[in-house]
Amino acid sequence: KAGVTQTPRYLIKTRGQQVTLSCSPISGHRSVSWYQQTPGQGLQFLFEYFSETQRNKGNFPGRFSGRQFSNSRSEMNVSTLELGDSALYLCASSPGLAVNNEQFFGPGTRLTVL
Amino acid sequence: GEDVEQSLFLSVREGDSSVINCTYTDSSSTYLYWYKQEPGAGLQLLTYIFSNMDMKQDQRLTVLLNKKDKHLSLRIADTQTGDSAIYFCAARGGTYKYIFGTGTRLKVLA
Repeated sequence: KAGVTQTPRYLIKTRGQQVTLSCSPISGHRSVSWYQQTPGQGLQFLFEYFSETQRNKGNFPGRFSGRQFSNSRSEMNVSTLELGDSALYLCASSPGLAVNNEQFFGPGTRLTVL
Repeated sequence: GEDVEQSLFLSVREGDSSVINCTYTDSSSTYLYWYKQEPGAGLQLLTYIFSNMDMKQDQRLTVLLNKKDKHLSLRIADTQTGDSAIYFCAARGGTYKYIFGTGTRLKVLA
């Protein structure tokens, strides 16, 4: 079974631009979560999608948005990029929302904002 | 609010035991997890413990949970150089959100 895949793996953008990151969950998994990882803040939860609906949201500004498609693939978008958005963005998938469902992480997309 | 705290660094000698500690604030945390992150990779789930358990052992890994003090630990027996990585503690509870600690960087000295 293929793992969680994220594209692209690396991205360089400049301030003010926008970016879209993609995540394909493990086949059969319906829940996708997104995290931002930075050296100073650790791993911060962005949002979680299940059946094309956002089920949970972290404390990030509205510049961060996401969506999930009917095949469970998910995208996250960051508009008006700031230097502080430079981070590793991790996607995780799980079978569903049950609290005992395990999360499986992708390798991440490293975003650098210049 | 919900918070998970870990110490930032731990250094041990190969063959010794490593103990990584974590404290969390959300008393409704139902599941507590330990993840491992190697350089350039995502997070790998190592083990997890349900809040009604005190201990869970899985080969070289032992998880201890003190629910009263909201303290979780991960013990790695016979630590190897391949265990060098960042270890994250995470809690999940009433809000269903995963709250991660900042990670503990484990360095194993040969």
